[in-house]
Amino acid sequence: GQNIDQPTEMTATEGAIVQINCTYQTSGFNGLFWYQQHAGEAPTFLSYNVLDGLEEKGRFSSFLSRSKGYSYLLLKELQMKDSASYLCAVRDSGNTPLVFGKGTRLSVIA
Amino acid sequence: IAGITQAPTSQILAAGRRMTLRCTQDMRHNAMYWYRQDLGLGLRLIHYSNTAGTTGKGEVPDGYSVSRANTDDFPLTLASAVPSQTSVYFCASSDYGGSEAFFGQGTRLTVV
Repeated sequence: GQNIDQPTEMTATEGAIVQINCTYQTSGFNGLFWYQQHAGEAPTFLSYNVLDGLEEKGRFSSFLSRSKGYSYLLLKELQMKDSASYLCAVRDSGNTPLVFGKGTRLSVIA
Repeated sequence: IAGITQAPTSQILAAGRRMTLRCTQDMRHNAMYWYRQDLGLGLRLIHYSNTAGTTGKGEVPDGYSVSRANTDDFPLTLASAVPSQTSVYFCASSDYGGSEAFFGQGTRLTVV
């Protein structure tokens, strides 16, 4: 079976840094994905990790440790528009569909 | 059409009725997926297709069927809708094994 865990909710202050963690247990591994989803909208792709280490994309970075089954999404210089749900997803082998965690709802406050 | 398009955007459906949710993509992606999203449960896979002519069952396939006659279209059919199928349905596609999935705008379905 597959199990993907992430916190349900987080709150952070505008301008700050927030780290959203994701742990996973899957039978195989062929990539970990982060998506952003604003309320009432579709998920949009943020980042992809398949090798250990940090991937940086502007204000957003994602880290992966395959041996620990662990990833995090780091958001810097938080803005009010970053208030959204952040979804962690794993593909366990070459051509299989993504399996999603339940998502973390991030609220950015002034 | 640009990307992946779903229709209708929203629908209220009487229990017991048959309904087909439409999904079309113009990116020539091989793989297509149907997910449902429910509060507290996240995105759950209903059915998927890795290539035209093939389909597979996901985590929650009961009460749903799909077909993949060509690359672009992947309709989802509810044969006899029940209230527990009230949800937001997302269609998605991806180019090849390992790449990210792109999502349609979703269909909000209410079964009464």
